[in-house]
Amino acid sequence: AQTIHQWPVAEIKAVGSPLSLGCTIKGKSSPNLYWYWQATGGTLQQLFYSITVGQVESVVQLNLSASRPKDDQFILSTEKLLLSHSGFYLCAWKGGREQYFGPGTRLTVL
Amino acid sequence: EQQVQQSPASLVLQEAENAELQCSFSIFTNQVQWFYQRPGGRLVSLLYNPSGTKQSGRLTSTTVIKERRSSLHISSSQITDSGTYLCATMSNYNVLYFGSGTKLTVEP
Repeated sequence: AQTIHQWPVAEIKAVGSPLSLGCTIKGKSSPNLYWYWQATGGTLQQLFYSITVGQVESVVQLNLSASRPKDDQFILSTEKLLLSHSGFYLCAWKGGREQYFGPGTRLTVL
Repeated sequence: EQQVQQSPASLVLQEAENAELQCSFSIFTNQVQWFYQRPGGRLVSLLYNPSGTKQSGRLTSTTVIKERRSSLHISSSQITDSGTYLCATMSNYNVLYFGSGTKLTVEP
C-alpha cells in the first residue's frame, strides 16, 4: 500500500526567514507528485507538479520553488517567507487518474 | 476566473436528511474528483467520476461531462458527515482545479 508523509506537521516562521517543506511517498514507483496551497478560508491551488526526478513544472507563482531530488521525494522551499505564504500546504500523488493527498503542513508566518 | 464553481456554499441539515451538492466547471475535462476536507484540513478522496453515475456507500455522484457539471448526493446524513466537500477537475496540462467547497453541517 502507498503511504505519503509530509514534514513538518506545522511551522511558525518569521517573515524573511527560509522555508523547506517535505513530502515522501512510499510504495509507488515514479509517481506524479503535486504541491498545493490553501490560504485560511481560501480555495486550494495547485503550485507545482513533477512527473519525474529533477523535473518540476510551476503552475502558480507565489515566490516559492520546488525540487524533486529523489523519485519518492518532493520539496517545497523559499529563501524569504512572506506573510502571504501562511496557510496549509498539501502534497499529493496520482494513482491512475485519481489524486491522493498527504496530511498537510500548516504554516504560520509572523 | 474560477474554473470550478460549487453550490451551495453552505448547507445545514438535520440528521438523516439527504444532501445534494453541485459542481460546474468552465474548463474542458474528463476527470472529476470529489473530496471531503476534514476540519483539520486533510483531504479524503470520496469518488472519482469522469462520467455517468458512481456510488460508494451513501454517496452517489452523477457527472454529465458535455454539460460540464457534476453532483454529489449524500443520503441519510450523519453528524460525522459534517465538513467541507470539494469538487476538483483536471485540465489537459496536469493541473487540478478545485472549487471553493460546500460546507455541510449536520445537526442532531
